[in-house]
Amino acid sequence: QITLKESGPTLVKPTQTLTLTCTFSGFSLKTRGAGVGWVRQPPGKAPEFLAFIYWDDDKRYSPSLKSRLTITKDTSKNQVVLVMTNMDPVDTATYYCAHRILASSGWHFNGFDYWGQGALVTVSS
Amino acid sequence: DIVMTQTPLSSPVALGQPASISCRSNQSIVHSDGNTYLSWLHQRPGQPPRLLIYKTSTRFSGVPDRFSGSGAGTDFTLRISRVEAEDVGVYYCMQATTFPHTFGQGTKLEIK
Repeated sequence: QITLKESGPTLVKPTQTLTLTCTFSGFSLKTRGAGVGWVRQPPGKAPEFLAFIYWDDDKRYSPSLKSRLTITKDTSKNQVVLVMTNMDPVDTATYYCAHRILASSGWHFNGFDYWGQGALVTVSS
Repeated sequence: DIVMTQTPLSSPVALGQPASISCRSNQSIVHSDGNTYLSWLHQRPGQPPRLLIYKTSTRFSGVPDRFSGSGAGTDFTLRISRVEAEDVGVYYCMQATTFPHTFGQGTKLEIK
């Protein structure tokens, strides 16, 4: 059973750096094809892709946020960490981590099957 | 970035009736591996999105067969054959063919 859980601060001040941790179980990021992504969703709006990391440490970022984002993984702890610098009130959102789709065939496909419950982050002074 | 556009944005449907949501991308989302990575997700208030359909038409594990996906190239459709009360919420299409993955604006399904 695949589960993911986000953790981090609920409130950050403008200009501060946000660090979010995704702790997962039920899969390994050492497995070929595996991956974990981060998606955020401002209140009442559609989700927005932020970053993704593959089993082989290949990384992808949203071009509009790339200069502010860093994604890393710790396979020994089953964790993926997202760092976002220079936070602004417009970054207020629920932040989700999600697992790359694993079909019953054993193949991984692009997209997200399992999502964490989300972490609401408010940016305010 | 690839832009995903959903229609309608709101859909009142009577229980037991069919529902259909369209999603259009502003460029082809056929991947070089031949797959089209278009997903459909369902979200209830206060909950994370839940995967319904991936690769345009493959139902995810545990998803009722009243949900079906179709389409190709730039035009895609999610169909619910008979709407049930638990189907209310917001539906999103998402393309995962290229990075950044991008989402439609969402379609709110409500019971008439």
